[in-house]
Amino acid sequence: GIQVEQSPPDLILQEGANSTLRCNFSDSVNNLQWFHQNPWGQLINLFYIPSGTKQNGRLSATTVATERYSLLYISSSQTTDSGVYFCAVPDNYGQNFVFGPGTRLSVLP
Amino acid sequence: GAGVSQTPSNKVTEKGKYVELRCDPISGHTALYWYRQSLGQGPEFLIYFQGTGAADDSGLPNDRFFAVRPEGSVSTLKIQRTERGDSAVYLCASSLTGAFTDTQYFGPGTRLTVL
Repeated sequence: GIQVEQSPPDLILQEGANSTLRCNFSDSVNNLQWFHQNPWGQLINLFYIPSGTKQNGRLSATTVATERYSLLYISSSQTTDSGVYFCAVPDNYGQNFVFGPGTRLSVLP
Repeated sequence: GAGVSQTPSNKVTEKGKYVELRCDPISGHTALYWYRQSLGQGPEFLIYFQGTGAADDSGLPNDRFFAVRPEGSVSTLKIQRTERGDSAVYLCASSLTGAFTDTQYFGPGTRLTVL
């Protein structure tokens, strides 16, 4: 099946700093989603981004489908951005998501 | 409206016991998913329902795991003869139609601990 890798595994930032999270996937996809899991375990969808670039406030995401990677940018980070960021792509049958291992982000005040 | 809800939020059981985990999806969502998340890992797909039927159960680890959605709304994940390795957070998600472009909305999860 499709493989998903994320880097870095852990990231510690000072409040106000910017960061870039990367997601690599092993096969072509027609869907890619980024999720944030807060410290209480709640998963929230951030972006549906199969290709191109999208922005939502301080967050933006870019997927280059032909090169099989996606980037999530966080600007002017806040302590509330802390948590784990996952990218997810459909499995070979497209019925469910395969999640990457996540990037754990800690934003310090 | 209300989001996806899951009950119980925590369940502690003994090895060999039977447990049921419940998921209430967002009203009107036809697609429902169960995932399992072990500590430090991403969610792992278990089963996907479209309406009342299990469209894909390829993620269920073995025949001790079973899930139902009899009326196309609430779903129950059932685990027989629990083992310590079943300890994890069990997540439920729903989406409007199950299409590729649909957003999956996740519940808060049920933390299962098997002693």
